Amino acid sequence: QSALTQPASVSGSPGQSITISCTGTTSDVGGYNYVSWYQQHPGKAPTLMIYNVNYRPSGVSNRFSGSKSGNTASLTISGLQAEDEADYYCSSYASSSTTHVVFGGGTKLTVL
Amino acid sequence: EVQLVESGGGLIQPGGSLRLSCAASGFTFSSYEMNWVRQSPGKGLECISYISNSVSTIYYADSVKGRFTISRDNAKKLLYLQMNSLRVEDTAVYYCARITYGWTSDYWGQGVLVTVSS
Repeated sequence: QSALTQPASVSGSPGQSITISCTGTTSDVGGYNYVSWYQQHPGKAPTLMIYNVNYRPSGVSNRFSGSKSGNTASLTISGLQAEDEADYYCSSYASSSTTHVVFGGGTKLTVL
Repeated sequence: EVQLVESGGGLIQPGGSLRLSCAASGFTFSSYEMNWVRQSPGKGLECISYISNSVSTIYYADSVKGRFTISRDNAKKLLYLQMNSLRVEDTAVYYCARITYGWTSDYWGQGVLVTVSS
């Protein structure tokens, strides 16, 4: 069982927007602005899409955005494209974790 | 260009040992903290170990504590994970990752598969 809770799957049509939630506690998501989001295509390594809740690394499309409210962080992808179909994982600094990093269970995004 | 390349994986019997290596290039390795993250088949991500840039701080997940040892050689730009007393449940793809911006893993290696089976 993962420390952070994500929906198992979400779907959307090309051009639409979707949001993936990531729920934790005051010891992780709610207590720190250290939430990251990763994209993982099948057989590939994860790629950083969002860090520190709402910052995009250089090279990541501005169609990807992050936010947080209380103990829940969210990743929004606007203008869905076929290439966005992948697994998405959230991560947070966690004071209660022995490695101080916890992940969500992952969300499979299907572009219809 | 930042690159992380893992090696050392393979098939090993339960109770056996393996040492994974992660070769870093394209950045000042000695300035960055590093993680090992694993992903069991069809499962999510698990951070199993952390090491600070100066080796002064090391953390382990409870699932590997006492069996795995993380280390680094800053002069050779290498990160290691010594895995002893391997169990079937340690079967996973193991990634090394560079840490930055508040415990964010900004660059990941391609991963190396470790299969523990008799």
